[in-house]
Amino acid sequence: AQRVTQPEKLLSVFKGAPVELKCNYSYSGSPELFWYVQYSRQRLQLLLRHISRESIKGFTADLNKGETSFHLKKPFAQEEDSAMYYCALRPYGQNFVFGPGTRLSVLP
Amino acid sequence: EAGVAQSPRYKIIEKRQSVAFWCNPISGHATLYWYQQILGQGPKLLIQFQNNGVVDDSQLPKDRFSAERLKGVDSTLKIQPAKLEDSAVYLCASSLGGTRNYEQYFGPGTRLTVT
Repeated sequence: AQRVTQPEKLLSVFKGAPVELKCNYSYSGSPELFWYVQYSRQRLQLLLRHISRESIKGFTADLNKGETSFHLKKPFAQEEDSAMYYCALRPYGQNFVFGPGTRLSVLP
Repeated sequence: EAGVAQSPRYKIIEKRQSVAFWCNPISGHATLYWYQQILGQGPKLLIQFQNNGVVDDSQLPKDRFSAERLKGVDSTLKIQPAKLEDSAVYLCASSLGGTRNYEQYFGPGTRLTVT
């Protein structure tokens, strides 16, 4: 069965430090992968998807099919990046499978 | 544009009671989703509508959960009878449909507590 794992429930970094939120997936086909984010008191929203290969708010994510990973990275974390981050997999022709989420806390 | 609306925002009921949630998607969005998010977990899809037809309800516990989307706009999700394990946030989301289904717009959610 398709599955998404995010090993860290909570990740704390200092402002200006690099941040990497880990995501691994299990799916034998060609995956579509996404990162969704939920800021405090806001709704869950799309941050980025692998196929667009763009940087959003300084975040990037590279799909590594060999390691079945889609880690989210930012070189210099900002306090406003503090939020809940969910990695999501969309198997071909199917619906989203979300990971359990990682809470990122950026300390001043 | 107005976002996805959901009501109520909070609901507390006793087990074996029934409850209903309402969702109004973004105007023009053909696809509507209901998710269940249990504390500490990611959202889990319960049902997907395309206009007023069901596309995927494979994870909907049909013995107690039901959903409808009359006229292809608003939707209601019902639980009857509720169990303790139904305590969760119920999220509604909508998308344009077709190739734009990857971008889902979520509502604020309804937090259900079953006692």
